[in-house]
Amino acid sequence: QLQLQESGPGLVKPSETLSLTCIVSGGSISSSDYYWGWVRQPPGKGLEWMGDISYGGRTNYKPSLRSRITISEDTSKSQLSLKLSSVTAADTAVYYCAKGDSGGLARGIFAWGQGISVTVSS
Amino acid sequence: QSALTQPASVSGSPGQSITISCTGTSSDIGVYNYVSWYQQHPGKAPKLMIYDVTNRPSGVSNRFSGSKSGTTASLTISGLRAEDEADYYCNSYTSSDTLIFGGGTKLTVL
Repeated sequence: QLQLQESGPGLVKPSETLSLTCIVSGGSISSSDYYWGWVRQPPGKGLEWMGDISYGGRTNYKPSLRSRITISEDTSKSQLSLKLSSVTAADTAVYYCAKGDSGGLARGIFAWGQGISVTVSS
Repeated sequence: QSALTQPASVSGSPGQSITISCTGTSSDIGVYNYVSWYQQHPGKAPKLMIYDVTNRPSGVSNRFSGSKSGTTASLTISGLRAEDEADYYCNSYTSSDTLIFGGGTKLTVL
């Protein structure tokens, strides 16, 4: 069964770059059967789709994050990564790695990582 | 783009049925059959309950059902149980090639 596990620093300073990794096990990250993405949830608030990546590396980002976000995959390590630059306190959230099927995350997010809490503070 | 509109809270007694609405626009729910619903218990990751408006993933109880009419999607839970108490979020694909979530609905089982 495919599993997702996020990792990265729990504390990031303002103006710096947040970098997270999602390790995918039990399946191939390079499979055309899957889409991958990131969803975040600020404390006490709702879910926010940040962006996703499809087979072949095509990315799609939330417009308000487009200037700061990079989602990429490392197929040799079966890892998905998220980089968010110039962070502020508004980027404090639990970040989830997400998996969709070949139709994309739009059809549904079929698997989620456990989430990683990231705080932006000096 | 604004979030899809959900009621902040709904409640029901065990055994009853409840429905959570999710209102969008002609740029999202109104034109695409890509609506999904998620259940989230406190401190846990969300779980997919409905995809493609009406479909249940394997393992999800048939007490959960989804529908859509115009720009509003709905999640109905029948035979309410204590373990259904959670936050529920809807999600839709949009004409801007993005995904948008609802603000979330807290379900209380009385």
